[in-house]
Amino acid sequence: NAGVTQTPKFRVLKTGQSMTLLCAQDMNHEYMYWYRQDPGMGLRLIHYSVGEGTTAKGEVPDGYNVSRLKKQNFLLGLESAAPSQTSVYFCASSYPTTGGNQPQHFGDGTRLSIL
Amino acid sequence: GQQVMQIPQYQHVQEGEDFTTYCNSSTTLSNIQWYKQRPGGHPVFLIQLVKSGEVKKQKRLTFQFGEAKKNSSLHITATQTTDVGTYFCAVRHYGGATNKLIFGTGTLLAVQP
Repeated sequence: NAGVTQTPKFRVLKTGQSMTLLCAQDMNHEYMYWYRQDPGMGLRLIHYSVGEGTTAKGEVPDGYNVSRLKKQNFLLGLESAAPSQTSVYFCASSYPTTGGNQPQHFGDGTRLSIL
Repeated sequence: GQQVMQIPQYQHVQEGEDFTTYCNSSTTLSNIQWYKQRPGGHPVFLIQLVKSGEVKKQKRLTFQFGEAKKNSSLHITATQTTDVGTYFCAVRHYGGATNKLIFGTGTLLAVQP
């Protein structure tokens, strides 16, 4: 029972390089999210998706792009990495909200350092 | 923008002592969720509170939602080393149809054996 799987787990990039973080979930969840976590800042939403083929901006979308071509996958792209994007990135997924909020299920995270 | 204040930022206790973290909002909340993140781990959902004044218990953990639905608390009785981690509250984003959450900054709990 894998749940939410993120790859890679660790990565070091140089400023200006690009990369894609992959998130895959096997729970048939409609909704998926990308967060970044920085010390003392909690979790901040970068982008999210409410279904295959749809994406929307969260709190801190600048410098990132996303795609949701398949229901089970949500990709986060950094086109030109900057040191300010050094962070731990978490992907999460959930069922659609039905009045109250649904729990979000998180992956193990990707630790990204930009030099 | 919508903000959620969580206090304290950090607490260090001796094993067996109690611990409480508080989550406060300036606006009325429709519901609140609590998550735990172990060191080096990922957030894990603990519970959701929906009703005014609601109290829920999970073994040594007691969760409370304020009468005005603007604050919430998590209380741990007789802490154990397994309780170590960061506890986050999360509230529904005001544009809430999409299950978006706003997370508090978290309380890091350290437990000394």
